[in-house]
Amino acid sequence: AQTVTQSQPEMSVQEAETVTLSCTYDTSESDYYLFWYKQPPSRQMILVIRQEAYKQQNATENRFSVNFQKAAKSFSLKISDSQLGDAAMYFCAYRSSRAGANNLFFGTGTRLTVIP
Amino acid sequence: EPEVTQTPSHQVTQMGQEVILRCVPISNHLYFYWYRQILGQKVEFLVSFYNNEISEKSEIFDDQFSVERPDGSNFTLKIRSTKLEDSAMYFCASRGDSYEQYFGPGTRLTVT
Repeated sequence: AQTVTQSQPEMSVQEAETVTLSCTYDTSESDYYLFWYKQPPSRQMILVIRQEAYKQQNATENRFSVNFQKAAKSFSLKISDSQLGDAAMYFCAYRSSRAGANNLFFGTGTRLTVIP
Repeated sequence: EPEVTQTPSHQVTQMGQEVILRCVPISNHLYFYWYRQILGQKVEFLVSFYNNEISEKSEIFDDQFSVERPDGSNFTLKIRSTKLEDSAMYFCASRGDSYEQYFGPGTRLTVT
């Protein structure tokens, strides 16, 4: 099974500053999908950003962007201009592109604190 | 914007009792999933469901678990005889033609 590793259990950032959350994964597949999910205190899982492995261009969604390094199997999330509402657990997830292999593999998460 | 809904938001049950967790996926989605998250741990895949049958399941999804799509809108997870270690947050997710899974708000299951 694929493994997803988030080596930073906790991170903090000053409001309006930029923070980068790390994620690495292990796979023998060449085509797959990667995601970042946000889980606020309400515990709902909210999709933040997604990346297809076949795309070289890094995905961007407003203040959220990724640094996808396929050879290094690294998928970090950058949050710019951090806001208090960004405080949450962030989970990196992997999904195979194989037919029938639909499930997501999650990392252990990074708790982000935003300091006013 | 369409969203996945789950009921109840919190369920308390006694060990050995049966529970049914309910989900209403996004209406035009075809793929359905259950995940669980034990407090303080990562989210783990339980089962995926497509075309009225299980397409994939994890080791966690043993004979105590079952899923059903009883009508055109609901997707349920049944735990036949709950154990203390079944206490967790249970998330339903659905997917349409794209590869993105959309999660519901979760059901917190507490087994006493």
